[in-house]
Order: sequence, then structure tokens, then C-alpha cells
Amino acid sequence: AQKVTQAQTEISVVEKEDVTLDCVYETRDTTYYLFWYKQPPSGELVFLIRRNSFDEQNEISGRYSWNFQKSTSSFNFTITASQVVDSAVYFCALSATLPGTPLVFGKGTRLSVIA
Amino acid sequence: KAGVTQTPRYLIKTRGQQVTLSCSPISGHRSVSWYQQTPGQGLQFLFEYFSETQRNKGNFPGRFSGRQFSNSRSEMNVSTLELGDSALYLCASSNNYGYTFGSGTRLTVV
Repeated sequence: AQKVTQAQTEISVVEKEDVTLDCVYETRDTTYYLFWYKQPPSGELVFLIRRNSFDEQNEISGRYSWNFQKSTSSFNFTITASQVVDSAVYFCALSATLPGTPLVFGKGTRLSVIA
Repeated sequence: KAGVTQTPRYLIKTRGQQVTLSCSPISGHRSVSWYQQTPGQGLQFLFEYFSETQRNKGNFPGRFSGRQFSNSRSEMNVSTLELGDSALYLCASSNNYGYTFGSGTRLTVV
């Protein structure tokens, strides 16, 4: 069975601080996808990144970066120089690569960035 | 291009009633998935449709059902509503590159 654990329920940081959101996953699949989504108060899940399990390169997109470590089954997300607009709930998710298989989500981490 | 559209945005129903939620996917996307989000259980998969066929179903009772039309629009129906069905229902359309979610329908059962 697949499982995603986001151990941090809530994080609060002061604006301009860096913050890392942890994600640990379990799967028996040899290939899989990992995702991060952002959910602002409006409710919509906003796609941030999809990573294929065979691609262990870290990725940077602006202030966002992702550290994928297959050896520890982790896919952590770092926001550099956080801003108030980053306040949201962030979800890590996992899916098999077979089309139509569902996303398995973690419980989410609520990030509050204080001005 | 237009995103995933879910209607209605908010809904209040009474226990025992039934409800139908609608989802219009991104043009060209043939797969539509539904998820239920509650504070206690988080995001849980309901079902997924592709070309009018249900390909996957989550662990929900038979009161939850869905369908997909030839234009890829999808509806989900919940019959005999219970208080515990109060949730945000999210629809996602997908292609080979990933999932795009709508803003959801917030259902309150009173």
C-alpha cells in the first residue's frame, strides 16, 4: 500500500525566513510520481511540481526547491525567503505511473508566514 | 485556456437528501477524478473516469456514485446524505503530464 507522511502539522515563520516542509513516502512500486500541491484559503489545489522516481535531481524554481532522496524515501520542499503569500496548506502526494491511478495525499502542512 | 470548473461552489443540504455535483475538465483532458477533503480524513480518492468509463474507485459506500459524459464533463452523486458527508469535494482533470484541480464544491449537510 502507498502512504505519504507529512509529520509537520503546522509551521509558523517570520517573513524572509527559509522553511522546509518534510515529506516521507512508502510504496512498493518501482516507478512512481511524487507531487507537491499548495492549497490557499480559496480551496483550489495548485500544482507545484511532479517528479518521476527515476529522476533524483534536485529542482529549483525561483524561491522553491525540492530535495528528492530515494534512499530515505523523502521528497522535501524548501521555500527560500518566505513571503506572506506563501501562507497556505501544502500537500505532498504519491501516485503510481499507471494512468488513472489515484493520488495518495499526506495530511498536509499548514504554513503561516508572519509579516 | 479555461481551468477545471466545478459547480456549485457551495451547497447546503439536509440529511437524507441527495446531491449532484458537476465538474467540467480542461479542454482535451479525458480523465476526471474526484476527491473528498475533510479535516479528519484529509484528501481521499473517490473515483476516476476516463472516456465515460470508471477506471478506479476508492473505498466509499455505494451512496457515492459518478458518471462521465461524452464531452468529458463529470458528475458525482451522493444519495441519502449523512452529516459526515460534509466536506470539500474536489475534481481534477488530467492528461499525461499531471493533474489540475478545480476550486471544489463545499457541501454542508445539516
